[in-house]
Amino acid sequence: ETGVTQSPTHLIKTRGQQVTLRCSSQSGHNTVSWYQQALGQGPQFIFQYYREEENGRGNFPPRFSGLQFPNYSSELNVNALELDDSALYLCASSIIRDPSYEQYFGPGTRLTVT
Amino acid sequence: AQSVSQHNHHVILSEAASLELGCNYSYGGTVNLFWYVQYPGQHLQLLLKYFSGDPLVKGIKGFEAEFIKSKFSFNLRKPSVQWSDTAEYFCAVTVMEYGNKLVFGAGTILRVKS
Repeated sequence: ETGVTQSPTHLIKTRGQQVTLRCSSQSGHNTVSWYQQALGQGPQFIFQYYREEENGRGNFPPRFSGLQFPNYSSELNVNALELDDSALYLCASSIIRDPSYEQYFGPGTRLTVT
Repeated sequence: AQSVSQHNHHVILSEAASLELGCNYSYGGTVNLFWYVQYPGQHLQLLLKYFSGDPLVKGIKGFEAEFIKSKFSFNLRKPSVQWSDTAEYFCAVTVMEYGNKLVFGAGTILRVKS
């Protein structure tokens, strides 16, 4: 089975720009979650998508938005980038009805905002 | 809001030493508990999980963790560490009422000296 993949691996953007990060879920998983991991911190939940609809959101402003596609791939969009958005962005897929709620993580996209 | 505290940010041990990493969470309802590990250059992987039943859970690579509900704790243990256990360890919790949104601790960086 294929795992969770993310692209690109690294990205450098300028403050004020917009960025799109991509994720392909693990085969058979219909739920995708996005996390932001700042340096020296644990991952923080941004939002989750299930059946192409947002299914929960963390404490992130509206300039963080997402999409989930019918093939369960997903995008994270960030508008008006700020320096503090520099972080590792992780995508995780899961089977939402799985009572174990286990999530499988991708390798992440390292975003640097200058 | 739920939170997770990990007691130590950096731990250095010699090979064959015993390991215990502390984790406390702040939620009084039904929780699922996880330990994830991130080896250098690799993505987050599940080490072990607790959902119900026996509070002592065993994971991969000889790790185990004990859920003590009265102490809101889920400490990770290994009797004898190896150099290959060098990694960052994250404790995380999901709260049943909030689906499978993971709340992570800040992480503990373990370095094992050979």
